[in-house]
Amino acid sequence: GQNIDQPTEMTATEGAIVQINCTYQTSGFNGLFWYQQHAGEAPTFLSYNVLDGLEEKGRFSSFLSRSKGYSYLLLKELQMKDSASYLCAVLDSNYQLIWGAGTKLIIKP
Amino acid sequence: ETGVTQTPRHLVMGMTNKKSLKCEQHLGHNAMYWYKQSAKKPLELMFVYSLEERVENNSVPSRFSPECPNSSHLFLHLHTLQPEDSALYLCASSQEWGLDTEAFFGQGTRLTVV
Repeated sequence: GQNIDQPTEMTATEGAIVQINCTYQTSGFNGLFWYQQHAGEAPTFLSYNVLDGLEEKGRFSSFLSRSKGYSYLLLKELQMKDSASYLCAVLDSNYQLIWGAGTKLIIKP
Repeated sequence: ETGVTQTPRHLVMGMTNKKSLKCEQHLGHNAMYWYKQSAKKPLELMFVYSLEERVENNSVPSRFSPECPNSSHLFLHLHTLQPEDSALYLCASSQEWGLDTEAFFGQGTRLTVV
């Protein structure tokens, strides 16, 4: 079966750095997405990786290793507004999106 | 303003009621989706429409019935639901179905079945 694993919850301190991991086993791979979802709001797109390596976008970076079935989202200089759930999703060989259950990130002052 | 609007935001319905969820996208996208989001579970894809034609059917119970009258509007008709159907129902759209394009989500309808 297809599976996406990410931690259920993480806690970090304002101003610090946090890394949210995502591992996947899917039938084929056509890219990996990260979305942010604040409580009671719509998920919003953060990043898309299809090639190995690190993609940096401001305070957020996303890394992919296809050989390891592994990705992480790196958040730097954490702000209180970064408290949200972070969803990892993989596009499989049929271009179906397979979703993880999300990681709830709690930022403390 | 996300470009994808869902109504209502909250809905409480009895198991014998019939109700409909509405989704509208103003982005000119050709693909629209219904997802179910339950607490601590992955998003479950329910239905996909591409150019107003249904292209996915993920074994969703018949008490959920989708309708796509045009490429901008998507409905989810609900009847004789069960308490376990209580969840957040998200609508999304993307430029095309079957490509590596990002999805734009609405804010969801929080459904409670009593």
